Amino acid sequence: EVQLVESGGGLVQPGGSLRLSCAASGFNFGAYWMHWVRQVPGERPMWVSRINPEGSATIYADSVRGRFTISRDNAKNTLYLQMNSLRAGDTAIYYCVRDLTEDIVDFDCWGQGTLVTVSS
Amino acid sequence: IVLTQSPDTLSLSPGERATLSCRTSRAGNTNYLAWYQQRPGQPPRLLIYAASNRATDIPDRFSGSGSGTDFTLTIDRLEPDDSAIYYCQHHTGSPPDYPFGQGTKLEI
Repeated sequence: EVQLVESGGGLVQPGGSLRLSCAASGFNFGAYWMHWVRQVPGERPMWVSRINPEGSATIYADSVRGRFTISRDNAKNTLYLQMNSLRAGDTAIYYCVRDLTEDIVDFDCWGQGTLVTVSS
Repeated sequence: IVLTQSPDTLSLSPGERATLSCRTSRAGNTNYLAWYQQRPGQPPRLLIYAASNRATDIPDRFSGSGSGTDFTLTIDRLEPDDSAIYYCQHHTGSPPDYPFGQGTKLEI
């Protein structure tokens, strides 16, 4: 069974840092592009970042560029999101997402999400 | 690119057909248009990719169509379990983004 399990969320003060992890299982993790998507409950999802299968190419949403870093360890089947200089507006559920096919938008597998709350 | 969905809320009865619309602010690659279903407390689930292709294990009651700036998700023979919020999604390269529409809430 294809599965993504996020961890590392929690309560952090503005200006603080958190590192999210996503453990992948049931598929060849190192063959897929991966994303982080966040969602404030009651609002639409918002894409955060993408990484290629090799981990050598990354892109970010304007709102997080320079503060967040996506990375992966294919040997450990794990995706990461290092979040620095956190703001109240970063409060959301963060989902780890698999992109099934390069050059087609098909986010076919989502984790259950981990909640990040930025508050003093 | 901005995605605008209509209507905001749709209330229908079991067995009826639902027609959900997604309009993009400019035409793009049709391969980039996807539809998702999100039930309360759950992550989004991929329904349709490349505008008209059903994802794995999605029933044929769900179909997608459209091109250019206008896209449609059709759900036939509605069931109570279809109650959810439906989002469309696209992709732009510059600046990089995968924006979602604001969603249509379907009530059965």
